[in-house]
Amino acid sequence: EIVLTQSPATLSLSPGERATLSCRASQSVSSYLAWYQQKPGQAPRLLIYNASSRATGIPARFSGSGSGTDFTLTISSLEPEDFAVYYCQQRSNWPVSITFGQGTRLEIK
Amino acid sequence: QVQLQQSGPGLVKPSQTLSLTCAISGDSVSSNSVVWNWIRQSPSRGLEWLGRTYYRSKWYNEYAVSAKSRITVNPDTSKNQFSLQLNSVTPEDTAVYYCARSDGNYSFDYWGQGTLVTVSS
Repeated sequence: EIVLTQSPATLSLSPGERATLSCRASQSVSSYLAWYQQKPGQAPRLLIYNASSRATGIPARFSGSGSGTDFTLTISSLEPEDFAVYYCQQRSNWPVSITFGQGTRLEIK
Repeated sequence: QVQLQQSGPGLVKPSQTLSLTCAISGDSVSSNSVVWNWIRQSPSRGLEWLGRTYYRSKWYNEYAVSAKSRITVNPDTSKNQFSLQLNSVTPEDTAVYYCARSDGNYSFDYWGQGTLVTVSS
């Protein structure tokens, strides 16, 4: 099973700053990597799929990059509503396996 | 707009079967371009994909290796919904359970509201 490791576990920043979150896979996932945002009491919300494609309705300040084993989610200028937990997710086909990272908590400094 | 509405009990006794249903509006469980999934989340295990069902000229069901011996995901075309059954539950199965849709890109674009299921006697 492919393991996704996210870093840092917690990121403390101020509104207006740039956030860079990392996700590393234990083996190549090509570009089959998605990012989600989760706020307390809510289901995760899809932000990025295929490593760099923004989902419908996601603001342009969110961007994704990477391929293979190393991926990054960047939030160019933090808004107050961006403080949440972020997860990466991959899928592999044979055998079918879908796994998530353990999450990065983005908190207000 | 796709909406997923979950239903089912919030408390299940150990060794019994956990059963949840996800009613779909704005899409079809029989669509040949999307996949219907169950995912759970707990503090100890994080987000964990459990299984899925989808239609591509016939029905397919696929499960996580960790749950394969205990899980069944089934479509119900008459009610446009799908279900999760998890047998022989233990307290470790306590979690928030979500249903979710994934498109051909495998990522989960629509989610149910989540159901907290507690396994306790």
